[in-house]
Amino acid sequence: EVQLVESGGGLVQPGGSLRLSCAASGFTFSRYDMHWVRQATGKGLEWVSAIGTAGDTYYPGSVKGRFTISRENAKNSLYLQMNSLRAGDTAVYYCARGAGYSSGMEDGMDVWGQGTTVTVSS
Amino acid sequence: SYELTQPPSVSVSPGQTASITCSGDKLGDKYACWYQQKPGQSPVMVIYQDSKRPSGIPERFSGSNSGNTATLTISGTQAMDEADYYCQAWDSSSAQFGGGTKLTVL
Repeated sequence: EVQLVESGGGLVQPGGSLRLSCAASGFTFSRYDMHWVRQATGKGLEWVSAIGTAGDTYYPGSVKGRFTISRENAKNSLYLQMNSLRAGDTAVYYCARGAGYSSGMEDGMDVWGQGTTVTVSS
Repeated sequence: SYELTQPPSVSVSPGQTASITCSGDKLGDKYACWYQQKPGQSPVMVIYQDSKRPSGIPERFSGSNSGNTATLTISGTQAMDEADYYCQAWDSSSAQFGGGTKLTVL
């Protein structure tokens, strides 16, 4: 069964750091692009970062310079290092697999984890 | 940054056809995909590459994309289709989601 399981969420103070992990199983992890997507309570989906199979990384302006995505193919794991956290970063963070129907990132995300909750508050 | 615009809500009667639009500059030149999200659950991809259905997605879900608008169509809408729907596209090395549309089946 193809599965993604996130962990590492929790309560952190503004300005603090947190590292999220995503454990992948049931597929050849190294062959897929991977994404992080977040969703604040009652709000829509917001893309946070992506990493390609070659280790190329992508970020929106809202997190660039504060968040770092990485992967460890030998451990079938995806990570998100989040620094300088703000109240606006409070959300459920999902790990998602790039669909990979074609060669680029444009195919969207076909497998999603259950999410891990990050709360930034003093 | 690239923006995708969806109507906040759409209503449909059971058995009828629901259409949800997603607008963005020259969206037809990009691939659009769609996700369904039910309360308390993770999103599920229902359409990729404008009009293709992932394995396990019912045939009543279809999509199109031309000009500045992508459309998700649900034929013979069922009560179980009531959910939030999000469009998404990749532009200039970034993924962008639409704001989401709440589909009500009543």
